[in-house]
Amino acid sequence: ETGVTQSPTHLIKTRGQQVTLRCSSQSGHNTVSWYQQALGQGPQFIFQYYREEENGRGNFPPRFSGLQFPNYSSELNVNALELDDSALYLCASTLSGGASYNEQFFGPGTRLTVL
Amino acid sequence: AQSVSQHNHHVILSEAASLELGCNYSYGGTVNLFWYVQYPGQHLQLLLKYFSGDPLVKGIKGFEAEFIKSKFSFNLRKPSVQWSDTAEYFCAVNAGNNRKLIWGLGTSLAVNP
Repeated sequence: ETGVTQSPTHLIKTRGQQVTLRCSSQSGHNTVSWYQQALGQGPQFIFQYYREEENGRGNFPPRFSGLQFPNYSSELNVNALELDDSALYLCASTLSGGASYNEQFFGPGTRLTVL
Repeated sequence: AQSVSQHNHHVILSEAASLELGCNYSYGGTVNLFWYVQYPGQHLQLLLKYFSGDPLVKGIKGFEAEFIKSKFSFNLRKPSVQWSDTAEYFCAVNAGNNRKLIWGLGTSLAVNP
């Protein structure tokens, strides 16, 4: 157990819908990163939030957006869902603005299926 | 573009065999290197990391990895594997001060008792 929790565990949506995934960071961690992991692939970095501001972004379109709240919990929102968005979405928390050498602590993930 | 390559996608070993999983990255500057492991039904967790100093780093559960800058490699090793090492292993690289972790595709290790 890492102290990072995610909800829901599983989710099924249809193409064109919108989805919100949630993450609670490990206590004391002020930085959260989101990753998409397709079947048989490594995680792909979506973005990172530090003190409620986006602090880095991967190659994902603007329909992937996020929020971080004052208690450092976070949301990932995906609009206009596409079939290729089906994946495991991972949240990871860390300390100190995500300094590059810091360990990231991962949650169990949310399995999103888009039909 | 920065990338991480893991050479072995599936590895099957018997208990007590030695393990070496390859990881190469493409980036010419300063890097921070990580190996993460995901045991069946569990979260991703850190095995070990390198960011400076001794290029031979030791992690949890008897794993170690060696950073060879000239070869852009960070191979994971364990002298004698156990059945409980059955898991998915991921190499990840953070280039310079970039916030973005680049991940390999992962290696699925199965250890037969």
